Amino acid sequence: AQSVSQHNHHVILSEAASLELGCNYSYGGTVNLFWYVQYPGQHLQLLLKYFSGDPLVKGIKGFEAEFIKSKFSFNLRKPSVQWSDTAEYFCAAYSGTYKYIFGTGTRLKVLA
Amino acid sequence: NAGVTQTPKFQVLKTGQSMTLQCAQDMNHNSMYWYRQDPGMGLRLIYYSASEGTTDKGEVPNGYNVSRLNKREFSLRLESAAPSQTSVYFCASSERDRKETQYFGPGTRLLVL
Repeated sequence: AQSVSQHNHHVILSEAASLELGCNYSYGGTVNLFWYVQYPGQHLQLLLKYFSGDPLVKGIKGFEAEFIKSKFSFNLRKPSVQWSDTAEYFCAAYSGTYKYIFGTGTRLKVLA
Repeated sequence: NAGVTQTPKFQVLKTGQSMTLQCAQDMNHNSMYWYRQDPGMGLRLIYYSASEGTTDKGEVPNGYNVSRLNKREFSLRLESAAPSQTSVYFCASSERDRKETQYFGPGTRLLVL
């Protein structure tokens, strides 16, 4: 079955540490990939997306993600996290079969 | 520009009661969606509407009905609530179809006793 996996369910980091959150998908063929973020008490908002072209995409607030087709991965990175990055992060994938699947989410806590 | 709005923000129901969750968007988007968010399970699509007048089932449609009242509004109805429907419900919209960026509402927390 088609799925999106986020292997890190909870991550705790100190400010200024580097971040990498894993995301793997099981679709074959063309796929559109997204990272959404949900800050405490707020609704989900788009962080970045990949449709085609340069596999390294840059999003808001210094986040970036790299699409590696051979590994079916779309990992999220940030060189230096801030306390304000504390949030839940969701990876999502869409293929041409009208399926838009979200991962289970990763809760990030950044310690000041 | 309010984006996507949802009412109510919080609701407590008894098993067997019915209720309708309301969603509206002011971005002139064609597509609208209802998701539920449960701990450890991410967001799961309940129903979606690709355009005014059409609705389709998502991953977990059982126990729910929807109405796309017009281009702006997309409601979700629980006819006979069950404890398994305790969840946070999010409405979302996108401009054309599901591959586009989705814009989410603030969510409705539903507790079914």
